[in-house]
Amino acid sequence: KQEVTQIPAALSVPEGENLVLNCSFTDSAIYNLQWFRQDPGKGLTSLLLIQSSQREQTSGRLNASLDKSSGRSTLYIAASQPGDSATYLCAVWMDSSYKLIFGSGTRLLVRP
Amino acid sequence: DTGVSQDPRHKITKRGQNVTFRCDPISEHNRLYWYRQTLGQGPEFLTYFQNEAQLEKSRLLSDRFSAERPKGSFSTLEIQRTEQGDSAMYLCASSLVGESSGNTIYFGEGSWLTVV
Repeated sequence: KQEVTQIPAALSVPEGENLVLNCSFTDSAIYNLQWFRQDPGKGLTSLLLIQSSQREQTSGRLNASLDKSSGRSTLYIAASQPGDSATYLCAVWMDSSYKLIFGSGTRLLVRP
Repeated sequence: DTGVSQDPRHKITKRGQNVTFRCDPISEHNRLYWYRQTLGQGPEFLTYFQNEAQLEKSRLLSDRFSAERPKGSFSTLEIQRTEQGDSAMYLCASSLVGESSGNTIYFGEGSWLTVV
């Protein structure tokens, strides 16, 4: 059974810091991996999608990496801003599966 | 294209009542998903449709939960005889599944259910 774990559960940093969020999964046979952002009481916004054949994806200040063999992904946020404060969720699609399996998220607070 | 729309956004109901949530996916998307999210947890898959066909419903939490997508467009999620444990946010999502789509999934804003 696939399990997705995100560490840390919560993180508080001063504005301007670079930071790394971690995601690990127990079954390396994934189809792809996706990072989402969720603001309080809101739905999910897709940030980055990494297909299983890819090693990383970049969008603006965000960079996500994927190491299937070790069952790990990281989300790197450069020059953090207070507007980055949100919960960041990692999710995997399994081979021949149709559903996302989510971690519990990392709650990020960027202090001005 | 206004994204995935869900209605209502918030619903407070008394235990034992039935509730129905509606989801309008992105118009060209052929897959529609329902997830449930409780506080402090990631979303949990419930069911999904490919066009009008419900291809997986074993994850629906009990026989009190049912979902439909009658014409392959909008979908409804109904919860009968609600219980306090049903209180959660119900998220709808859609995607376009095809050779080059990459399975990117788009979520709605969610429907909050509070059972009192």
